Amino acid sequence: GAVVSQHPSRVICKSGTSVKIECRSLDFQATTMFWYRQFPKQSLMLMATSNEGSKATYEQGVEKDKFLINHASLTLSTLTVTSAHPEDSSFYICSASVRQGLTGELFFGEGSRLTVL
Amino acid sequence: AQSVAQPEDQVNVAEGNPLTVKCTYSVSGNPYLFWYVQYPNRGLQFLLKYITGDNLVKGSYGFEAEFNKSQTSFHLKKPSALVSDSALYFCAVRPISGGYNKLIFGAGTRLAVHP
Repeated sequence: GAVVSQHPSRVICKSGTSVKIECRSLDFQATTMFWYRQFPKQSLMLMATSNEGSKATYEQGVEKDKFLINHASLTLSTLTVTSAHPEDSSFYICSASVRQGLTGELFFGEGSRLTVL
Repeated sequence: AQSVAQPEDQVNVAEGNPLTVKCTYSVSGNPYLFWYVQYPNRGLQFLLKYITGDNLVKGSYGFEAEFNKSQTSFHLKKPSALVSDSALYFCAVRPISGGYNKLIFGAGTRLAVHP
Protein backbone atom coordinates (compact mmCIF):
# COMPACT_ATOMS: atom_id res chain seq x y z
CA GLY A 1 0.00 0.00 0.00
CA ALA A 2 0.88 3.65 -0.11
CA VAL A 3 3.30 5.05 2.46
CA VAL A 4 2.71 8.07 4.65
CA SER A 5 5.66 9.33 6.65
CA GLN A 6 5.22 11.45 9.75
CA HIS A 7 7.98 13.35 11.54
CA PRO A 8 8.94 13.65 14.31
CA SER A 9 7.65 10.50 15.96
CA ARG A 10 8.20 11.98 19.40
CA VAL A 11 8.69 15.55 20.52
CA ILE A 12 8.99 17.13 23.93
CA CYS A 13 8.71 20.87 24.26
CA LYS A 14 8.33 23.54 26.87
CA SER A 15 5.04 25.25 27.48
CA GLY A 16 4.60 28.30 25.28
CA THR A 17 6.71 27.08 22.39
CA SER A 18 5.47 26.01 18.97
CA VAL A 19 5.92 22.58 17.45
CA LYS A 20 5.67 21.56 13.80
CA ILE A 21 4.74 18.06 12.69
CA GLU A 22 5.21 17.00 9.08
CA CYS A 23 3.18 14.50 7.12
CA ARG A 24 4.47 13.30 3.76
CA SER A 25 3.03 10.96 1.17
CA LEU A 26 6.08 9.15 -0.15
CA ASP A 27 4.89 7.37 -3.26
CA PHE A 28 1.69 9.07 -4.26
CA GLN A 29 0.16 12.50 -4.52
CA ALA A 30 -2.30 13.36 -1.80
CA THR A 31 -4.82 16.01 -2.68
CA THR A 32 -6.35 15.69 0.74
CA MET A 33 -4.77 14.95 4.10
CA PHE A 34 -6.44 14.58 7.46
CA TRP A 35 -5.12 15.35 10.91
CA TYR A 36 -6.35 13.35 13.88
CA ARG A 37 -5.75 13.59 17.58
CA GLN A 38 -5.86 10.55 19.80
CA PHE A 39 -6.09 10.66 23.57
CA PRO A 40 -4.93 7.70 25.67
CA LYS A 41 -7.25 4.72 25.31
CA GLN A 42 -9.59 6.69 23.10
CA SER A 43 -10.50 6.81 19.46
CA LEU A 44 -9.24 9.17 16.83
CA MET A 45 -10.75 12.61 16.73
CA LEU A 46 -10.67 14.33 13.38
CA MET A 47 -9.20 17.79 13.80
CA ALA A 48 -9.11 19.12 10.27
CA THR A 49 -9.10 18.32 6.60
CA SER A 50 -6.18 19.71 4.68
CA ASN A 51 -6.57 20.39 0.96
CA GLU A 52 -3.59 21.16 -1.23
CA GLY A 53 -3.47 24.80 -2.18
CA SER A 54 -6.39 25.92 -0.06
CA LYS A 55 -7.29 26.58 3.53
CA ALA A 56 -7.85 23.68 5.86
CA THR A 57 -11.34 22.83 7.06
CA TYR A 58 -11.48 22.51 10.82
CA GLU A 59 -13.89 20.39 12.81
CA GLN A 60 -16.14 22.02 15.33
CA GLY A 61 -14.32 22.84 18.53
CA VAL A 62 -10.83 22.81 17.05
CA GLU A 63 -9.02 26.14 17.30
CA LYS A 64 -7.64 26.98 13.87
CA ASP A 65 -5.32 29.64 15.29
CA LYS A 66 -3.78 27.14 17.65
CA PHE A 67 -3.47 24.24 15.23
CA LEU A 68 -2.11 25.72 12.02
CA ILE A 69 -2.28 23.48 9.01
CA ASN A 70 -0.45 24.04 5.76
CA HIS A 71 -0.72 21.85 2.68
CA ALA A 72 1.65 23.54 0.29
CA SER A 73 2.26 20.61 -2.04
CA LEU A 74 0.67 17.35 -3.07
CA THR A 75 3.06 15.40 -0.85
CA LEU A 76 3.39 17.49 2.28
CA SER A 77 1.09 18.78 4.99
CA THR A 78 2.24 20.31 8.24
CA LEU A 79 0.53 20.78 11.57
CA THR A 80 1.92 23.46 13.85
CA VAL A 81 0.80 23.52 17.45
CA THR A 82 1.29 27.13 18.48
CA SER A 83 1.99 28.23 22.03
CA ALA A 84 1.70 24.67 23.22
CA HIS A 85 0.41 23.88 26.68
CA PRO A 86 0.38 20.63 28.67
CA GLU A 87 -3.23 19.96 27.66
CA ASP A 88 -2.05 19.80 24.03
CA SER A 89 -0.02 16.72 24.87
CA SER A 90 -1.41 13.96 22.73
CA PHE A 91 -0.80 11.55 19.87
CA TYR A 92 -1.29 13.25 16.53
CA ILE A 93 -1.85 11.14 13.43
CA CYS A 94 -2.11 12.22 9.83
CA SER A 95 -3.67 10.35 6.98
CA ALA A 96 -3.61 10.87 3.27
CA SER A 97 -6.15 10.29 0.58
CA VAL A 98 -5.15 8.92 -2.78
CA ARG A 99 -7.06 10.13 -5.81
CA GLN A 100 -9.44 7.20 -5.76
CA GLY A 101 -12.74 8.72 -4.86
CA LEU A 102 -14.83 7.69 -1.91
CA THR A 103 -14.02 4.00 -2.14
CA GLY A 104 -10.31 4.36 -1.52
CA GLU A 105 -8.88 3.66 1.89
CA LEU A 106 -6.89 6.21 3.84
CA PHE A 107 -3.22 5.64 4.56
CA PHE A 108 -1.99 6.68 7.96
CA GLY A 109 1.28 8.00 9.26
CA GLU A 110 2.98 6.42 12.26
CA GLY A 111 1.85 9.21 14.53
CA SER A 112 3.65 11.88 16.53
CA ARG A 113 3.57 11.89 20.29
CA LEU A 114 3.73 15.41 21.65
CA THR A 115 4.58 16.02 25.28
CA VAL A 116 4.39 19.57 26.55
CA LEU A 117 6.13 20.19 29.84
CA ALA B 1 -26.29 11.67 14.14
CA GLN B 2 -23.87 9.46 12.29
CA SER B 3 -21.92 7.16 14.53
CA VAL B 4 -20.00 3.93 14.86
CA ALA B 5 -20.28 1.71 17.92
CA GLN B 6 -17.82 -0.88 19.11
CA PRO B 7 -19.61 -2.27 22.15
CA GLU B 8 -16.65 -4.09 23.64
CA ASP B 9 -13.70 -2.24 25.12
CA GLN B 10 -11.67 -5.44 25.16
CA VAL B 11 -11.94 -8.91 23.73
CA ASN B 12 -9.93 -11.77 25.19
CA VAL B 13 -9.37 -14.95 23.23
CA ALA B 14 -7.05 -17.92 23.43
CA GLU B 15 -4.57 -18.47 20.64
CA GLY B 16 -5.99 -20.75 17.99
CA ASN B 17 -9.59 -19.92 18.80
CA PRO B 18 -11.82 -17.89 16.50
CA LEU B 19 -12.25 -14.23 17.29
CA THR B 20 -14.95 -11.66 16.64
CA VAL B 21 -14.72 -7.92 17.16
CA LYS B 22 -18.11 -6.27 16.90
CA CYS B 23 -19.06 -3.09 15.09
CA THR B 24 -22.40 -1.48 14.37
CA TYR B 25 -23.05 1.78 12.61
CA SER B 26 -25.70 4.42 12.27
CA VAL B 27 -25.51 6.47 9.10
CA SER B 28 -27.88 7.51 6.39
CA GLY B 29 -27.74 5.67 3.11
CA ASN B 30 -25.29 2.94 2.28
CA PRO B 31 -21.92 3.63 3.84
CA TYR B 32 -18.46 2.42 3.01
CA LEU B 33 -17.04 0.42 5.93
CA PHE B 34 -13.46 -0.12 7.04
CA TRP B 35 -11.41 -1.89 9.67
CA TYR B 36 -8.04 -0.64 10.85
CA VAL B 37 -5.55 -2.02 13.37
CA GLN B 38 -3.23 -0.02 15.59
CA TYR B 39 -0.18 -1.34 17.41
CA PRO B 40 1.23 0.58 20.41
CA ASN B 41 2.56 4.03 19.53
CA ARG B 42 1.98 3.43 15.86
CA GLY B 43 -0.37 4.75 13.22
CA LEU B 44 -3.29 2.81 11.81
CA GLN B 45 -2.95 0.01 9.32
CA PHE B 46 -5.70 -0.80 6.86
CA LEU B 47 -7.18 -4.30 7.20
CA LEU B 48 -10.17 -4.43 4.89
CA LYS B 49 -13.12 -2.54 3.49
CA TYR B 50 -16.63 -3.12 2.25
CA ILE B 51 -17.81 -1.05 -0.66
CA THR B 52 -20.35 -3.20 -2.47
CA GLY B 53 -20.90 -6.76 -3.59
CA ASP B 54 -20.27 -9.87 -1.50
CA ASN B 55 -21.14 -9.30 2.13
CA LEU B 56 -18.11 -11.29 3.30
CA VAL B 57 -14.93 -9.32 2.79
CA LYS B 58 -11.48 -10.81 3.17
CA GLY B 59 -8.56 -8.66 4.21
CA SER B 60 -5.00 -8.66 5.50
CA TYR B 61 -3.49 -11.13 7.97
CA GLY B 62 -6.34 -13.62 7.59
CA PHE B 63 -9.04 -11.26 8.84
CA GLU B 64 -12.47 -11.04 7.31
CA ALA B 65 -15.61 -9.07 8.03
CA GLU B 66 -19.26 -9.61 7.29
CA PHE B 67 -21.52 -6.77 6.27
CA ASN B 68 -25.08 -7.16 7.53
CA LYS B 69 -27.31 -4.44 6.22
CA SER B 70 -30.40 -5.37 8.23
CA GLN B 71 -28.45 -5.33 11.48
CA THR B 72 -26.23 -2.43 10.38
CA SER B 73 -23.22 -4.40 11.52
CA PHE B 74 -19.74 -5.07 10.18
CA HIS B 75 -18.12 -7.51 12.59
CA LEU B 76 -14.45 -8.40 12.21
CA LYS B 77 -13.57 -12.07 12.38
CA LYS B 78 -10.66 -14.45 12.17
CA PRO B 79 -10.91 -18.25 12.28
CA SER B 80 -7.78 -18.81 14.36
CA ALA B 81 -6.27 -16.05 16.50
CA LEU B 82 -2.55 -15.45 16.90
CA VAL B 83 -0.79 -13.80 19.83
CA SER B 84 0.57 -11.29 17.32
CA ASP B 85 -3.01 -10.20 16.55
CA SER B 86 -3.12 -8.48 19.94
CA ALA B 87 -3.68 -4.81 19.16
CA LEU B 88 -6.29 -2.07 19.06
CA TYR B 89 -8.91 -2.43 16.33
CA PHE B 90 -10.98 0.39 14.91
CA CYS B 91 -14.09 0.17 12.83
CA ALA B 92 -14.74 3.17 10.61
CA VAL B 93 -17.47 4.30 8.29
CA ARG B 94 -17.44 6.77 5.46
CA PRO B 95 -20.90 8.18 4.83
CA ILE B 96 -21.43 8.69 1.13
CA SER B 97 -22.73 12.19 1.78
CA GLY B 98 -20.16 12.99 4.44
CA GLY B 99 -17.49 14.57 2.36
CA TYR B 100 -14.55 13.31 0.46
CA ASN B 101 -12.83 10.48 2.32
CA LYS B 102 -13.93 11.66 5.75
CA LEU B 103 -14.03 8.76 8.19
CA ILE B 104 -15.99 8.31 11.40
CA PHE B 105 -14.20 5.99 13.82
CA GLY B 106 -15.53 3.79 16.56
CA ALA B 107 -14.02 3.97 20.02
CA GLY B 108 -11.78 0.99 19.37
CA THR B 109 -11.62 -2.52 20.78
CA ARG B 110 -8.52 -3.92 22.36
CA LEU B 111 -7.90 -7.50 21.34
CA ALA B 112 -5.82 -9.62 23.69
CA VAL B 113 -4.83 -13.07 22.45
CA HIS B 114 -3.41 -15.30 25.14
CA PRO B 115 -1.00 -18.18 24.47
